[in-house]
Amino acid sequence: AQSVTQLDSHVSVSEGTPVLLRCNYSSSYSPSLFWYVQHPNKGLQLLLKYTSAATLVKGINGFEAEFKKSETSFHLTKPSAHMSDAAEYFCVVNHGSSNTGKLIFGQGTTLQVKP
Amino acid sequence: GAGVSQTPSNKVTEKGKYVELRCDPISGHTALYWYRQSLGQGPEFLIYFQGTGAADDSGLPNDRFFAVRPEGSVSTLKIQRTERGDSAVYLCASSLNPQGANTGELFFGEGSRLTVL
Repeated sequence: AQSVTQLDSHVSVSEGTPVLLRCNYSSSYSPSLFWYVQHPNKGLQLLLKYTSAATLVKGINGFEAEFKKSETSFHLTKPSAHMSDAAEYFCVVNHGSSNTGKLIFGQGTTLQVKP
Repeated sequence: GAGVSQTPSNKVTEKGKYVELRCDPISGHTALYWYRQSLGQGPEFLIYFQGTGAADDSGLPNDRFFAVRPEGSVSTLKIQRTERGDSAVYLCASSLNPQGANTGELFFGEGSRLTVL
């Protein structure tokens, strides 16, 4: 079965410093992996996706993630945090090879950005 | 509209009452999804529609939960005999086609927050 584990429930960084949000996945086959962001009172928004193409994936707002099969990881990074990055971030894996619409979400990481 | 629209944005009800939550997907999107997000948790899959039919309803927790999409556009999630444990944010998403879940191209609404007293 597919699953994701977000290793930190809360991350706090200072503005202008790097961001690292960690995610490990479990999958019985080659997965598609995603990061979604949820700002307060806003809908979930896709940040970036890995679908078996390049292992280093670039997303919106300067975020990147690297798919590492050997480590079963898909950590999200950004070189320099901005105040507007403060939000809830979800690592997500698709459920299976069929198109069931079933995405499996991690429990989320709250990113706090201090001035 | 430009995005996925969900109504009501907030619903407070009493235990045992019946509730309907509505989702209006992006125009032209054939696939529609319902998820539930409990406090401090990630969203959990409930049901997926392709067109008018429920292609996968394996996430519905029990038979008090039911969803319809009669014309392949707007969907309604129906909860009978609500319980306090049903309190959560109910999220709707749509995608252009069934491959949306594999490509991550799901567009989410802002959710309907249900509180059962």
